[in-house]
Amino acid sequence: LAKTTQPISMDSYEGQEVNITCSHNNIATNDYITWYQQFPSQGPRFIIQGYKTKVTNEVASLFIPADRKSSTLSLPRVSLSDTAVYYCLVGVLGSNDYKLSFGAGTTVTVRA
Amino acid sequence: GAVVSQHPSWVICKSGTSVKIECRSLDFQATTMFWYRQFPKQSLMLMATSNEGSKATYEQGVEKDKFLINHASLTLSTLTVTSAHPEDSSFYICSARVLGQGAGYTFGSGTRLTVV
Repeated sequence: LAKTTQPISMDSYEGQEVNITCSHNNIATNDYITWYQQFPSQGPRFIIQGYKTKVTNEVASLFIPADRKSSTLSLPRVSLSDTAVYYCLVGVLGSNDYKLSFGAGTTVTVRA
Repeated sequence: GAVVSQHPSWVICKSGTSVKIECRSLDFQATTMFWYRQFPKQSLMLMATSNEGSKATYEQGVEKDKFLINHASLTLSTLTVTSAHPEDSSFYICSARVLGQGAGYTFGSGTRLTVV
């Protein structure tokens, strides 16, 4: 399984853009990059998934460079409710031999 | 989308007793489910993987006789913490693998277990 490295924490203010970079130097050819969000005392929630270049949905964008050794989750115009832990995971989701394993995650704190 | 319902959301039990946590897939069949434990301010730690109709696979260091997992149907997996002790107090989360379109993983809302 490809190991991921993220910053432990990030602080931001309401209305700002938050960018969280995840390093995954050992990513395999078939691996996808997926980000989850977790609020206190809740299960993780899927945010976005990508394989290469850029993916955008209604809540975030995911930028993946050509070498795929890192990825950046971008949260536009954050609000207080975006305060959470964000996890970057790498693997072939849904495959029989893949176990969803979480790293330390990044605690994002949004202040007013 | 695929929804996993986890119950109870919180439970308090006495030391030495057993507690069962249920995880149900509501609108899909979950052939594989995962159980995690999360201590305060820590990440999720995978405890075991359960496959419908077969024995669960436990991660290293997880006592299979203490954390009994049953996945008897395609929509239900249960985790029973046997002879609970205060150190078992934690946040337990289940997850189900979703196949097909939109493949990925969906998580339950978690169960806060407090052993007194």
